Amino acid sequence: DQQVKQNSPSLSVQEGRISILNCDYTNSMFDYFLWYKKYPAEGPTFLISISSIKDKNEDGRFTVFLNKSAKHLSLHIVPSQPGDSAVYFCAAMQGGGADGLTFGKGTHLIIQP
Amino acid sequence: EAGVAQSPRYKIIEKRQSVAFWCNPISGHATLYWYQQILGQGPKLLIQFQNNGVVDDSQLPKDRFSAERLKGVDSTLKIQPAKLEDSAVYLCASTSGPTNTEAFFGQGTRLTVV
Repeated sequence: DQQVKQNSPSLSVQEGRISILNCDYTNSMFDYFLWYKKYPAEGPTFLISISSIKDKNEDGRFTVFLNKSAKHLSLHIVPSQPGDSAVYFCAAMQGGGADGLTFGKGTHLIIQP
Repeated sequence: EAGVAQSPRYKIIEKRQSVAFWCNPISGHATLYWYQQILGQGPKLLIQFQNNGVVDDSQLPKDRFSAERLKGVDSTLKIQPAKLEDSAVYLCASTSGPTNTEAFFGQGTRLTVV
């Protein structure tokens, strides 16, 4: 039973345009959400996060939006750069992280020159 | 600041053999996690330590998997005996505390069981 779902296995975006990665969750107890970025043969690296008490968090080119009523979050990357090509994982936690992270399957973002 | 160190990077074993993975977390990080990432899937939590105590091992297949963190620093994850379906990348991660939200991951150990 997938509690965190990333329904797009891959996404291709032109350099300079906006990349939008989507994530849905089913567990209403999740109270913190994170995005991780993963390059081949490397471990995931933390990108940006959002608490359930907020609906938006911004860090440079990266913005995460949370819609609690729809149990949906999205990651926006503007403008997209070639170095953004990677697999992006959406992750969620509850209870302040005492239970570890629950990850989605990931979306492979490809930035086209 | 040194990151999370894992070894080996790659391991190939035959089914029914045993294997062990090692993790050294970021200095001072009390919480350590082991995740299993099967190809095409997201990482799945296997076990979580707080210092040298187990916080959550509900998803650890205890008939064949074991993990320890004896001195509250390094950790080892063992599989005995291995099955074909254990082929995956095993990721170690650490955080400074149980409620710290940003986990730092190592590069992982890619296990292939043949």
